[in-house]
Amino acid sequence: DTEVTQTPKHLVMGMTNKKSLKCEQHMGHRAMYWYKQKAKKPPELMFVYSYEKLSINESVPSRFSPECPNSSLLNLHLHALQPEDSALYLCASSLQGLSTGNTIYFGEGSWLTVV
Amino acid sequence: EDQVTQSPEALRLQEGESSSLNCSYTVSGLRGLFWYRQDPGKGPEFLFTLYSAGEEKEKERLKATLTKKESFLHITAPKPEDSATYLCAVQAKGGKLIFGQGTELSVKP
Repeated sequence: DTEVTQTPKHLVMGMTNKKSLKCEQHMGHRAMYWYKQKAKKPPELMFVYSYEKLSINESVPSRFSPECPNSSLLNLHLHALQPEDSALYLCASSLQGLSTGNTIYFGEGSWLTVV
Repeated sequence: EDQVTQSPEALRLQEGESSSLNCSYTVSGLRGLFWYRQDPGKGPEFLFTLYSAGEEKEKERLKATLTKKESFLHITAPKPEDSATYLCAVQAKGGKLIFGQGTELSVKP
């Protein structure tokens, strides 16, 4: 079973709101990722957690705050977002971290609209 | 600089008309090349991983091949349900997954 589950599927938030995106996998993967995808563009890496530690932050603005409570869960906390942050947010996981050639499996994504 | 280029950007086929999608790459120290299928509004669905030149993998109407400079995704006798965007990505020695811009495939009945 290669399943990464993301909730919610759709989220509309105002620029002053605080919300969170959640991601879960039960494949025993030790690396988890957040990607952002705009229409007609490939996914862009935001954060990588390896063995529950943040290993890569791609210079993402601090209004996005990741959290990895345990090896199966990954959250993305959102605060004071801008309309240009509206996008599809993808969670992904792999058996181990980057540079290993392990396949990265993606969830269905959370559609975020900032109004 | 590590780079992935997919061609064509868009491809329209008639049902049953076989074709190939191309993914050219320049990376230092290839760790793996990945093909994904993405339907509108959904996350990328994993199709294949290829690790070394000469490797081939098949799944239903799809076959992926790898050389030292490029990968092909061959689609044999496509059906309308094969319509999607196909993404190629490579993982280099530096670690990060580098995506191409994708090929949008449309198969008409």
